[in-house]
Amino acid sequence: NAGVTQTPKFQVLKTGQSMTLQCAQDMNHEYMSWYRQDPGMGLRLIHYSVGAGITDQGEVPNGYNVSRSTTEDFPLRLLSAAPSQTSVYFCASSARRFSYNEQFFGPGTRLTVL
Amino acid sequence: AQRVTQPEKLLSVFKGAPVELKCNYSYSGSPELFWYVQYSRQRLQLLLRHISRESIKGFTADLNKGETSFHLKKPFAQEEDSAMYYCALHNAGNMLTFGGGTRLMVKP
Repeated sequence: NAGVTQTPKFQVLKTGQSMTLQCAQDMNHEYMSWYRQDPGMGLRLIHYSVGAGITDQGEVPNGYNVSRSTTEDFPLRLLSAAPSQTSVYFCASSARRFSYNEQFFGPGTRLTVL
Repeated sequence: AQRVTQPEKLLSVFKGAPVELKCNYSYSGSPELFWYVQYSRQRLQLLLRHISRESIKGFTADLNKGETSFHLKKPFAQEEDSAMYYCALHNAGNMLTFGGGTRLMVKP
């Protein structure tokens, strides 16, 4: 099992450019989510999905879109990148059944917006 | 609204000293709390969860509902414990609210 994979590992964008961060998991987890990690602020939830075809907003959704067409994939789209979106992005997945289930994290994507 | 607070951004101790990383939370329901750890150049991973009442790598954490705290403790710190530690609260949507994190540095 590869677990949770993310691509790319690093990305530099210019203000106004768009891009998609990829996330995939091979554990057949229903729940998937995207977080951003900023110094001193921990991880903040951007968007999440409780199953294919179902997505919802987290704490900081503005400027980001998601879709969940399959159980395995949960891409995060930046429509028009801004310097405030410079961050490290983590994708995570977990099995739905129990509230205390562990979340499994990807290795992260470090994004810089100039 | 739920909130997780880790008051110390950096905690520096000597090897063999006791360690306590503080975590306080606010939540109207019955809390499910976790500690996640991120070692250098590794991905974030679960350290322990309060429901399991377990000791992992010598770390323990007790949920104190009266003080709304879930502090992480270890009696004797090791250099390999140096990492970023995050306290997290599970919510009804099966997502996590994280604290700001505490960087633990264990000096030789």
